[in-house]
Amino acid sequence: DTEVTQTPKHLVMGMTNKKSLKCEQHMGHRAMYWYKQKAKKPPELMFVYSYEKLSINESVPSRFSPECPNSSLLNLHLHALQPEDSALYLCASSHLPSGMPYNEQFFGPGTRLTVL
Amino acid sequence: GENVEQHPSTLSVQEGDSAVIKCTYSDSASNYFPWYKQELGKRPQLIIDIRSNVGEKKDQRIAVTLNKTAKHFSLHITETQPEDSAVYFCAASIGYGGATNKLIFGTGTLLAVQP
Repeated sequence: DTEVTQTPKHLVMGMTNKKSLKCEQHMGHRAMYWYKQKAKKPPELMFVYSYEKLSINESVPSRFSPECPNSSLLNLHLHALQPEDSALYLCASSHLPSGMPYNEQFFGPGTRLTVL
Repeated sequence: GENVEQHPSTLSVQEGDSAVIKCTYSDSASNYFPWYKQELGKRPQLIIDIRSNVGEKKDQRIAVTLNKTAKHFSLHITETQPEDSAVYFCAASIGYGGATNKLIFGTGTLLAVQP
C-alpha cells in the first residue's frame, strides 16, 4: 500500500459541533503531518508528529487538537471551529531513516471542511 | 523563518513549448527543494526534488536547477502537454538529520497548456 488515505472526503459542521478527521498510511512512515490549504493558496503546515510524538505545532489555535494513536494513524479533532477554518485539510507522511534529513512527503487526498 | 517566493503566479504556454517556474528562498540552511503538482481538487504530488549538494536534476521532460549562491531554484518543463496543466508549488526545507523536514511552500504557479 503506497497511499495516504483520509476520511471523510467532505465534512460540513456547525460552530458548536465536535468532529474528527482521520488519516492512515501503511508505508511504515514514522513522520506524519497536518496541513491546511485555502483555495488558490499553498498548503500551510499545522502539526508534525515524529515517532508518534508531537514535534512541531505551528501555533495552531486550540480548537484544533491532533492525536497520533499509533504509527499508522493520525487524527485531527475539531471543536468550536469558525467559518474561516473552512479549508482543505491535508495529511502527509514521510520516512524518518537515520542519516537522511530530507524525505519525500506523500499527501493524502484531503478532507474538504465547511464550517457554517 | 524561511520564506519562499515563486514566479510567475500564472503561466500560459502553447502545447509543445517549454515552461519555466522560478523560486527564491531566504534561509541559506535550506537543503531540500521539492516541486509538487496539484491538479484541481486533487492532492499535491511530488514531481521532482533536488538536494542542496546537486546543481541540476532531470527526469524525462522535467528538470530542476539549483543555484545555492543566489538561493534560486527553477523548474523546467519541455514539450508541454495539456495534461501538464495544474498548479505547481515549489518548496524549501531544512532537514535536521533523522528528524522531520519542515516544508515551506511557494505561492504556486497556475500553468495552462493550450492545445
